[in-house]
Amino acid sequence: DVKVTQSSRYLVKRTGEKVFLECVQDMDHENMFWYRQDPGLGLRLIYFSYDVKMKEKGDIPEGYSVSREKKERFSLILESASTNQTSMYLCASSLRQGKNQPQHFGDGTRLSIL
Amino acid sequence: GNSVTQMEGPVTLSEEAFLTINCTYTATGYPSLFWYVQYPGEGLQLLLKATKADDKGSNKGFEATYRKETTSFHLEKGSVQVSDSAVYFCALRRNSGYALNFGKGTSLLVTP
Repeated sequence: DVKVTQSSRYLVKRTGEKVFLECVQDMDHENMFWYRQDPGLGLRLIYFSYDVKMKEKGDIPEGYSVSREKKERFSLILESASTNQTSMYLCASSLRQGKNQPQHFGDGTRLSIL
Repeated sequence: GNSVTQMEGPVTLSEEAFLTINCTYTATGYPSLFWYVQYPGEGLQLLLKATKADDKGSNKGFEATYRKETTSFHLEKGSVQVSDSAVYFCALRRNSGYALNFGKGTSLLVTP
């Protein structure tokens, strides 16, 4: 089974801090994704990556950046955390072949910015 | 672009009741369709998928049929259990790239 591991289940940070959310997958997937999940808004795509060092903006990239230095790891960075970034963050990965591959999700990081 | 619309919840059912959660899609071509489930405090898990028109995906007693005529992918289960209480998401691939577009989710509560 695919395993997507997010480094923290719960995280509390202060406004203005630089925050790192880490995600690791163990199935050699080319694609990795970061979403945020908010009540009433569903899942919104922040960034995705289809290869090492490659990244593309999703629907709501403002205030975020990402890093993919190794195939198995995809990091989400909040450059200067703000209270409106309090949310559930979900990482996912998928194979690139076929373009209709399902995504496999981690358990999420619930981030609170105070 | 490709998108899905699913019924709003919450849906509350008694144990052993029949479940339908509606999902309709708008798409260019015929992308695969997915249902994901999110149990409390967890990430999303793939529940089932269908890759082409008239395909039926099934898993854990849940079923959904990819219907081209009605552009629908409704999720059904004949007899729900308390353990099915969760949020259910319909999804399909975006027009470009590899990401998925998700519906807003439908919360299901099954009572004993």
